[in-house]
Amino acid sequence: AQSVTQLGSHVSVSEGALVLLRCNYSSSVPPYLFWYVQYPNQGLQLLLKYTSAATLVKGINGFEAEFKKSETSFHLTKPSDHMSDAAEYFCAVSDPRSTALIFGKGTTLSVSS
Amino acid sequence: DVKVTQSSRYLVKRTGEKVFLECVQDMDHENMFWYRQDPGLGLRLIYFSYDVKMKEKGDIPEGYSVSREKKERFSLILESASTNQTSMYLCASSFRGRGSRSYNEQFFGPGTRLTVL
Repeated sequence: AQSVTQLGSHVSVSEGALVLLRCNYSSSVPPYLFWYVQYPNQGLQLLLKYTSAATLVKGINGFEAEFKKSETSFHLTKPSDHMSDAAEYFCAVSDPRSTALIFGKGTTLSVSS
Repeated sequence: DVKVTQSSRYLVKRTGEKVFLECVQDMDHENMFWYRQDPGLGLRLIYFSYDVKMKEKGDIPEGYSVSREKKERFSLILESASTNQTSMYLCASSFRGRGSRSYNEQFFGPGTRLTVL
Protein backbone atom coordinates (compact mmCIF):
# COMPACT_ATOMS: atom_id res chain seq x y z
CA ALA A 1 0.00 0.00 0.00
CA GLN A 2 1.14 3.51 -0.69
CA SER A 3 1.81 5.97 2.10
CA VAL A 4 3.24 9.42 2.67
CA THR A 5 5.13 10.71 5.69
CA GLN A 6 5.72 14.38 6.28
CA LEU A 7 8.46 14.90 8.83
CA GLY A 8 7.60 17.70 11.20
CA SER A 9 4.05 18.88 11.72
CA HIS A 10 5.28 22.41 12.29
CA VAL A 11 8.25 24.26 10.79
CA SER A 12 9.28 27.79 11.78
CA VAL A 13 11.64 29.96 9.72
CA SER A 14 12.69 33.57 9.54
CA GLU A 15 11.72 35.70 6.59
CA GLY A 16 14.33 35.39 3.84
CA ALA A 17 15.58 32.01 5.05
CA LEU A 18 15.61 28.74 3.17
CA VAL A 19 12.48 26.65 3.54
CA LEU A 20 12.73 22.85 3.59
CA LEU A 21 9.62 20.72 4.06
CA ARG A 22 10.24 16.99 4.09
CA CYS A 23 8.18 14.27 2.45
CA ASN A 24 8.93 10.56 2.17
CA TYR A 25 6.74 8.13 0.32
CA SER A 26 6.23 4.42 0.03
CA SER A 27 5.14 2.95 -3.27
CA SER A 28 5.52 -0.38 -5.03
CA VAL A 29 5.26 1.28 -8.44
CA PRO A 30 6.74 4.49 -9.85
CA PRO A 31 4.69 7.20 -8.24
CA TYR A 32 3.28 10.52 -9.18
CA LEU A 33 3.93 13.02 -6.39
CA PHE A 34 2.33 16.32 -5.50
CA TRP A 35 2.73 19.25 -3.14
CA TYR A 36 -0.34 21.28 -2.27
CA VAL A 37 -0.61 24.48 -0.21
CA GLN A 38 -3.55 25.56 1.91
CA TYR A 39 -3.90 29.12 3.13
CA PRO A 40 -6.16 29.72 6.16
CA ASN A 41 -9.81 28.91 5.55
CA GLN A 42 -9.22 28.01 1.92
CA GLY A 43 -9.05 24.86 -0.17
CA LEU A 44 -5.89 23.18 -1.39
CA GLN A 45 -3.95 24.65 -4.30
CA LEU A 46 -1.44 22.69 -6.36
CA LEU A 47 2.15 23.93 -5.92
CA LEU A 48 3.91 21.41 -8.14
CA LYS A 49 3.84 17.80 -9.31
CA TYR A 50 6.26 15.10 -10.36
CA THR A 51 5.07 12.91 -13.22
CA SER A 52 8.25 10.98 -14.15
CA ALA A 53 9.80 13.64 -16.38
CA ALA A 54 12.52 15.84 -14.83
CA THR A 55 13.40 14.93 -11.25
CA LEU A 56 13.72 18.58 -10.23
CA VAL A 57 10.30 20.14 -10.45
CA LYS A 58 9.62 23.85 -10.31
CA GLY A 59 6.29 25.12 -9.12
CA ILE A 60 4.49 28.34 -8.38
CA ASN A 61 5.69 31.06 -6.00
CA GLY A 62 9.36 30.04 -6.30
CA PHE A 63 8.95 26.57 -4.78
CA GLU A 64 10.68 23.51 -6.14
CA ALA A 65 11.01 19.85 -5.20
CA GLU A 66 13.40 17.08 -6.14
CA PHE A 67 12.37 13.48 -6.66
CA LYS A 68 15.01 11.11 -5.23
CA LYS A 69 14.10 7.52 -5.91
CA SER A 70 16.97 6.09 -3.84
CA GLU A 71 15.79 8.01 -0.79
CA THR A 72 12.05 7.72 -1.59
CA SER A 73 11.82 11.43 -0.93
CA PHE A 74 10.19 14.46 -2.51
CA HIS A 75 11.23 17.38 -0.30
CA LEU A 76 9.90 20.88 -0.97
CA THR A 77 12.26 23.86 -0.90
CA LYS A 78 12.26 27.58 -1.44
CA PRO A 79 15.54 29.55 -1.35
CA SER A 80 14.13 32.63 0.35
CA ASP A 81 10.73 32.62 1.92
CA HIS A 82 8.24 35.43 2.50
CA MET A 83 5.65 36.11 5.16
CA SER A 84 3.02 35.23 2.57
CA ASP A 85 4.31 31.64 2.48
CA ALA A 86 2.88 30.95 5.93
CA ALA A 87 0.37 28.17 5.29
CA GLU A 88 -0.16 24.44 5.60
CA TYR A 89 1.57 22.21 3.06
CA PHE A 90 0.52 18.73 2.03
CA CYS A 91 2.50 16.10 0.18
CA ALA A 92 0.52 13.48 -1.75
CA VAL A 93 1.24 10.36 -3.79
CA SER A 94 -0.86 8.96 -6.59
CA ASP A 95 -2.15 5.46 -6.23
CA PRO A 96 -2.12 3.90 -9.72
CA ARG A 97 -4.56 1.15 -8.66
CA SER A 98 -7.32 3.65 -7.97
CA THR A 99 -8.29 7.23 -8.62
CA ALA A 100 -7.24 8.39 -5.17
CA LEU A 101 -4.43 10.52 -3.85
CA ILE A 102 -2.82 9.53 -0.59
CA PHE A 103 -2.10 12.62 1.51
CA GLY A 104 0.39 13.23 4.28
CA LYS A 105 -0.84 14.78 7.51
CA GLY A 106 0.48 18.20 6.58
CA THR A 107 3.18 20.60 7.75
CA THR A 108 2.35 24.06 9.01
CA LEU A 109 4.92 26.65 7.98
CA SER A 110 5.31 29.73 10.18
CA VAL A 111 7.38 32.70 9.01
CA SER A 112 8.65 35.32 11.40
CA SER A 113 10.02 38.75 10.52
CA ASP B 1 -8.94 26.99 -15.24
CA VAL B 2 -10.75 24.28 -13.36
CA LYS B 3 -13.25 25.66 -10.96
CA VAL B 4 -14.71 23.69 -8.09
CA THR B 5 -17.35 25.44 -6.03
CA GLN B 6 -18.98 24.46 -2.77
CA SER B 7 -22.41 25.65 -1.75
CA SER B 8 -21.43 27.19 1.59
CA ARG B 9 -18.20 28.44 3.17
CA TYR B 10 -19.58 28.26 6.71
CA LEU B 11 -22.50 26.24 8.05
CA VAL B 12 -23.95 25.84 11.53
CA LYS B 13 -26.40 22.99 12.19
CA ARG B 14 -28.05 21.33 15.16
CA THR B 15 -27.47 17.76 16.28
CA GLY B 16 -29.85 15.42 14.46
CA GLU B 17 -30.41 17.68 11.47
CA LYS B 18 -30.00 16.37 7.93
CA VAL B 19 -27.22 18.30 6.22
CA PHE B 20 -26.50 18.63 2.51
CA LEU B 21 -23.14 19.82 1.20
CA GLU B 22 -23.06 20.53 -2.52
CA CYS B 23 -20.08 20.57 -4.85
CA VAL B 24 -20.00 21.57 -8.51
CA GLN B 25 -17.11 21.40 -10.99
CA ASP B 26 -17.06 22.95 -14.44
CA MET B 27 -14.32 20.97 -16.24
CA ASP B 28 -16.16 17.78 -17.14
CA HIS B 29 -14.09 15.71 -14.71
CA GLU B 30 -15.15 12.13 -14.23
CA ASN B 31 -13.91 11.77 -10.66
CA MET B 32 -15.15 13.66 -7.63
CA PHE B 33 -14.19 13.35 -3.97
CA TRP B 34 -15.28 14.38 -0.51
CA TYR B 35 -12.74 14.77 2.30
CA ARG B 36 -12.89 15.95 5.84
CA GLN B 37 -9.95 17.79 7.35
CA ASP B 38 -9.21 17.87 11.08
CA PRO B 39 -6.16 19.29 12.89
CA GLY B 40 -3.37 16.74 13.11
CA LEU B 41 -5.21 14.19 10.98
CA GLY B 42 -4.73 15.69 7.53
CA LEU B 43 -7.26 14.91 4.82
CA ARG B 44 -9.36 11.80 5.16
CA LEU B 45 -11.38 10.50 2.24
CA ILE B 46 -15.08 10.02 2.95
CA TYR B 47 -16.43 8.97 -0.46
CA PHE B 48 -15.54 9.33 -4.08
CA SER B 49 -17.35 8.89 -7.37
CA TYR B 50 -15.86 7.92 -10.72
CA ASP B 51 -19.01 8.37 -12.78
CA VAL B 52 -22.64 9.45 -12.57
CA LYS B 53 -24.56 7.35 -10.03
CA MET B 54 -21.35 5.51 -9.08
CA LYS B 55 -19.77 5.80 -5.65
CA GLU B 56 -17.05 4.18 -3.60
CA LYS B 57 -16.46 4.32 0.13
CA GLY B 58 -13.33 6.00 1.32
CA ASP B 59 -11.59 5.64 4.66
CA ILE B 60 -14.31 7.12 6.88
CA PRO B 61 -17.77 6.68 5.27
CA GLU B 62 -19.71 6.02 8.49
CA GLY B 63 -22.41 8.61 9.12
CA TYR B 64 -22.24 9.96 5.56
CA SER B 65 -23.84 9.24 2.22
CA VAL B 66 -23.36 10.77 -1.23
CA SER B 67 -25.29 11.41 -4.40
CA ARG B 68 -24.13 11.99 -7.94
CA GLU B 69 -27.05 12.43 -10.33
CA LYS B 70 -25.18 14.70 -12.76
CA LYS B 71 -21.56 14.60 -13.83
CA GLU B 72 -20.76 18.07 -12.55
CA ARG B 73 -22.40 17.77 -9.13
CA PHE B 74 -21.47 15.66 -6.10
CA SER B 75 -23.41 15.95 -2.86
CA LEU B 76 -22.40 14.87 0.62
CA ILE B 77 -25.24 14.08 3.02
CA LEU B 78 -25.11 13.84 6.79
CA GLU B 79 -28.28 11.92 7.57
CA SER B 80 -28.31 12.91 11.25
CA ALA B 81 -25.57 15.38 12.12
CA SER B 82 -23.56 14.80 15.27
CA THR B 83 -21.06 16.99 17.10
CA ASN B 84 -18.17 14.75 16.05
CA GLN B 85 -18.90 15.70 12.44
CA THR B 86 -17.85 19.28 13.12
CA SER B 87 -15.03 19.70 10.62
CA MET B 88 -13.78 21.29 7.42
CA TYR B 89 -15.18 19.51 4.37
CA LEU B 90 -13.32 19.68 1.09
CA CYS B 91 -14.56 18.65 -2.33
CA ALA B 92 -12.20 17.82 -5.20
CA SER B 93 -12.38 16.62 -8.78
CA SER B 94 -9.96 15.01 -11.21
CA PHE B 95 -9.70 13.95 -14.81
CA ARG B 96 -9.69 10.19 -15.31
CA GLY B 97 -7.12 10.34 -18.09
CA ARG B 98 -6.37 7.81 -20.77
CA GLY B 99 -4.22 4.72 -20.86
CA SER B 100 -3.16 2.61 -17.93
CA ARG B 101 -2.43 5.53 -15.61
CA SER B 102 -3.62 9.04 -15.10
CA TYR B 103 -1.85 11.65 -13.05
CA ASN B 104 -4.75 11.75 -10.58
CA GLU B 105 -4.12 15.44 -9.99
CA GLN B 106 -7.01 16.77 -7.95
CA PHE B 107 -8.54 20.25 -7.99
CA PHE B 108 -10.10 21.48 -4.77
CA GLY B 109 -13.00 23.69 -3.81
CA PRO B 110 -12.69 26.36 -1.09
CA GLY B 111 -14.10 24.12 1.63
CA THR B 112 -17.12 24.22 3.93
CA ARG B 113 -16.50 24.69 7.63
CA LEU B 114 -19.36 22.85 9.34
CA THR B 115 -20.17 23.30 13.00
CA VAL B 116 -22.69 20.96 14.62
CA LEU B 117 -24.06 22.21 17.93
